[in-house]
Amino acid sequence: DQQVKQNSPSLSVQEGRISILNCDYTNSMFDYFLWYKKYPAEGPTFLISISSIKDKNEDGRFTVFLNKSAKHLSLHIVPSQPGDSAVYFCAVQDSNYQLIWGAGTKLIIKP
Amino acid sequence: KAGVTQTPRYLIKTRGQQVTLSCSPISGHRSVSWYQQTPGQGLQFLFEYFSETQRNKGNFPGRFSGRQFSNSRSEMNVSTLELGDSALYLCASSLRDRGGTQYFGPGTRLTVL
Repeated sequence: DQQVKQNSPSLSVQEGRISILNCDYTNSMFDYFLWYKKYPAEGPTFLISISSIKDKNEDGRFTVFLNKSAKHLSLHIVPSQPGDSAVYFCAVQDSNYQLIWGAGTKLIIKP
Repeated sequence: KAGVTQTPRYLIKTRGQQVTLSCSPISGHRSVSWYQQTPGQGLQFLFEYFSETQRNKGNFPGRFSGRQFSNSRSEMNVSTLELGDSALYLCASSLRDRGGTQYFGPGTRLTVL
């Protein structure tokens, strides 16, 4: 049973527009949520995180929103740039400090 | 500060052989986690080592094993290789605290023929 779900395998967005990536989780006890970006044949790169005491965290073009009642988080990228084309993973930290990962969403930025 | 390093970067083996992959964490990080990524798949957690002890383990067969040394460097071993073991193997280091971010190495691409 997947504890972290990214229901969109891929997403295509026009350059300059907003990209919104979504992630759902099942356990209301999770308290740290992270987003990573991954290019092919490379290790994932940490992007941004949020703790459960907040509902929004911003870092430059990247903003993560957390809706605890819906057990949902989203990553907004504004404006989207060609270099943002990658696979994005959301992850949550469990009580054993382990990260539980979603399956990833491939973001394609169209020129 | 130097990042996570993994050696070798590429490896070609044949079925039935064994392989050892190495990971050096960021200085000061005592937790090392290993993941397997196959084409089109997400990150499958293998195991985590902290202070030379395995703390968490994923759902992989016993052919996959690991260890950690006193300097926090970690090795992962796969015995009796199968074709399905072909994958990108990633290691990540962290401080193992609440909200502790994992930092990944570039990975080792293993091909089993």
